[in-house]
Amino acid sequence: QKEVEQDPGPLSVPEGAIVSLNCTYSNSAFQYFMWYRQYSRKGPELLMYTYSSGNKEDGRFTAQVDKSSKYISLFIRDSQPSDSATYLCAMSVYGNNRLAFGKGNQVVVIP
Amino acid sequence: DAGVTQSPTHLIKTRGQQVTLRCSPKSGHDTVSWYQQALGQGPQFIFQYYEEEERQRGNFPDRFSGHQFPNYSSELNVNALLLGDSALYLCASSVRTGQGALEQFFGPGTRLTVL
Repeated sequence: QKEVEQDPGPLSVPEGAIVSLNCTYSNSAFQYFMWYRQYSRKGPELLMYTYSSGNKEDGRFTAQVDKSSKYISLFIRDSQPSDSATYLCAMSVYGNNRLAFGKGNQVVVIP
Repeated sequence: DAGVTQSPTHLIKTRGQQVTLRCSPKSGHDTVSWYQQALGQGPQFIFQYYEEEERQRGNFPDRFSGHQFPNYSSELNVNALLLGDSALYLCASSVRTGQGALEQFFGPGTRLTVL
């Protein structure tokens, strides 16, 4: 079983729709959870970072963490064509320097 | 602030050769991590440098080595290149904390192709 599972299947949505992405993980020691956005041929850009369980909102982006289910989500409201990118979930253990990433989800927002 | 910079952008090598990739961290950051991202995959942690020492290492062979300089910049060296080493190599910088890998900022990467 992989440490972090993220269904890489491409996701196409019309402009203005809500994008819903999620990851599951097996390591119960993970306490920090991040979402990165990666445009083609670029490095990942940190979008959201959450500690332990709960929700965090930043503009059109909402991150949710459910540690009991080992499940994290990212929601993008009012999606724009500029949101078209690959979204990577990442997580780490307290005091550990290694980020464990999912495979990434390619999102296409159609105008 | 220039952010994290990496050089070169692209590199083509043949099997058995050696390669050196370079990274300059974001201003004010003292820690550099290196990741390998194969096509269609998420980044995989190679190692992290802080105070010019390797502090943590992922599941990569000794062919992968690195260095950090007093100005916090870093190099990744890969010896005896294999076809499977073809990937995007990402450098991430951060500020060292006791809490571990918090906000890591990535550079644009170096795309290595091994023929």
